Amino acid sequence: ETGVTQSPTHLIKTRGQQVTLRCSSQSGHNTVSWYQQALGQGPQFIFQYYREEENGRGNFPPRFSGLQFPNYSSELNVNALELDDSALYLCASRAGLDATEAFFGQGTRLTVV
Amino acid sequence: DAKTTQPPSMDCAEGRAANLPCNHSTISGNEYVYWYRQIHSQGPQYIIHGLKNNETNEMASLIITEDRKSSTLILPHATLRDTAVYYCIVRLPSGSARQLTFGSGTQLTVLP
Repeated sequence: ETGVTQSPTHLIKTRGQQVTLRCSSQSGHNTVSWYQQALGQGPQFIFQYYREEENGRGNFPPRFSGLQFPNYSSELNVNALELDDSALYLCASRAGLDATEAFFGQGTRLTVV
Repeated sequence: DAKTTQPPSMDCAEGRAANLPCNHSTISGNEYVYWYRQIHSQGPQYIIHGLKNNETNEMASLIITEDRKSSTLILPHATLRDTAVYYCIVRLPSGSARQLTFGSGTQLTVLP
């Protein structure tokens, strides 16, 4: 149990729809990253938030966007869903940009049909 | 961040040591070696990290070769619960947007 919670755990959406995934970071952790993990692959970095500002982004299109709130919880929004967006979405929190260890949540399994 | 190469799968008998290799021949002088594992249907879990000296914690030992081009993660007494995908990651230790770059990892299966 890492203290990082994600909701929902599973979700089914239709192609073209929009989805919002949520992450509650571990207490005191001001840095949150989001990853996409396709079946059989390692997690791929989407973006990172530090103190409510986006602080780095991977190779994902603009329809992937996010927010971080004053309590450091975070949201991942995906617009115009495509079938290839079906994946496990993981949230990881750290105690700061210099923190060594990232704590991952259990993930949200998104299926796009 | 430097690229890593790991075998896709390994088996280990329960109670024996599991030795998971990783090649990182393009590692730069200030990059650390990190190990994470992912048990099925869970998020990745941090195991250990090191720069050039061998490291040990309650979960595992990390042996880094003198030239730092490869490393080995050692689980001294593997249990069935250690069955997971193990990821070796090379990255700078801190600062800005240093995300974790995961490869495909090694699927370790601990056999009874």
